[in-house]
Amino acid sequence: NAGVMQNPRHLVRRRGQEARLRCSPMKGHSHVYWYRQLPEEGLKFMVYLQKENIIDESGMPKERFSAEFPKEGPSILRIQQVVRGDSAAYFCASSPIAGQGNEQYFGPGTRLTVT
Amino acid sequence: ELKVEQNPLFLSMQEGKNYTIYCNYSTTSDRLYWYRQDPGKSLESLFVLLSNGAVKQEGRLMASLDTKARLSTLHITAAVHDLSATYFCAVGTSGSRLTFGEGTQLTVNP
Repeated sequence: NAGVMQNPRHLVRRRGQEARLRCSPMKGHSHVYWYRQLPEEGLKFMVYLQKENIIDESGMPKERFSAEFPKEGPSILRIQQVVRGDSAAYFCASSPIAGQGNEQYFGPGTRLTVT
Repeated sequence: ELKVEQNPLFLSMQEGKNYTIYCNYSTTSDRLYWYRQDPGKSLESLFVLLSNGAVKQEGRLMASLDTKARLSTLHITAAVHDLSATYFCAVGTSGSRLTFGEGTQLTVNP
């Protein structure tokens, strides 16, 4: 059973470009979470999605950031018009169910560098 | 807003010694997780603690949860160099999001 997959692992973008980060959850998992880790900090929740639904996006910046988890294919975190402050590691996690007792399994992360 | 605080944030210890990392959180939860992260790597799940008084052990690491005190501890016994990493606690709340502590950067010196 393959784990959570993310790609690309490393992404370099110039200021103003768009970044697209992909996450394929573990087989059988229908819940996806995105977290951001700035250098030397802990992970901060961004968004929680189920297939075709955004359940909680309270951690997402109001502008330039969006996320989706279509019926077919991976979940995508999209950052438009990137700025240097967007440089961070973005981790995706998945779980089979939500709520009490569920464990989130983390992917390897995408390290975004904005030049 | 839930706050999760770890201490210490930096810990340098000698091989063979014991030490405890503390994780305090500010609101009710009975779901706490410990993760390990090596530099440039993802998070590895260490322990899942789901009830008051829960204690779990794996090798030289032991984690416990006191939901009344809103406190979890990660105890390291007879540290070895391979344990050098950053350790995060994370608290689960309604809606499934995890709130992470700042992390404890552990260095075990020979």
